[in-house]
Amino acid sequence: QVQLVESGGGVVHPGKSLRLSCVVSGFTFSRYDMHWVRQAPGKGLEWVAIISSDGTNQLYADAVRGRYTISRDNSQNTLFLQMNGLRFDDTAVYYCARDATGYAYRYYFDFWGPGTVVTVSP
Amino acid sequence: YDLLQPPSVSVSPGQTATINCSGDNLGDKFISWYQQKAGQSPLLVFYGDHGRPSAIPERFSASTSGNTATLTIRETQALDEADYYCQAWDAAGLFGGGTKLTVL
Repeated sequence: QVQLVESGGGVVHPGKSLRLSCVVSGFTFSRYDMHWVRQAPGKGLEWVAIISSDGTNQLYADAVRGRYTISRDNSQNTLFLQMNGLRFDDTAVYYCARDATGYAYRYYFDFWGPGTVVTVSP
Repeated sequence: YDLLQPPSVSVSPGQTATINCSGDNLGDKFISWYQQKAGQSPLLVFYGDHGRPSAIPERFSASTSGNTATLTIRETQALDEADYYCQAWDAAGLFGGGTKLTVL
């Protein structure tokens, strides 16, 4: 069965960095575009970034562009999110999600991980 | 580009719940819907005009007309109580603000 498991969350000070990982199983990772989506405490879902199946293309939300980097290692079935210059409003549960289609403008998320919590605190 | 959802919808058990999502030219976009129960990850419940994952009951359906997309849940049950989010793509991923469905 399809599984996605995030890790790497924690408590960090503003301005610091954190690297999240998402290990997947149950499907051929290298065939799927992948996303990161976050959810601030008590708030709604916010899309963060997407990476193409071969890792050559990335796209970011305005709120994180220039600070976050999405990457992947298809040999290790792992998705990453490098987060630099963290701010208080980056505090959230971060989910990795599999893209269902791979077609631009029809992207949607058919499987999600349980999430990892990132807290930016003084 | 914004997707607008009502913050809350209430429905009696056994009745039909409708959750709307509005946005400019929404009929031109591919809309998906997610259910998120307290403390859980989001779950895809409907995509496009006809797509329902195999684990989702047939009570769930969705449609889009003009600038409004609608998720319909027939014969609503207590276990349907959750937050529901619409989602689209417009040069970036977009989510509606979410609708809390209360079954009472």
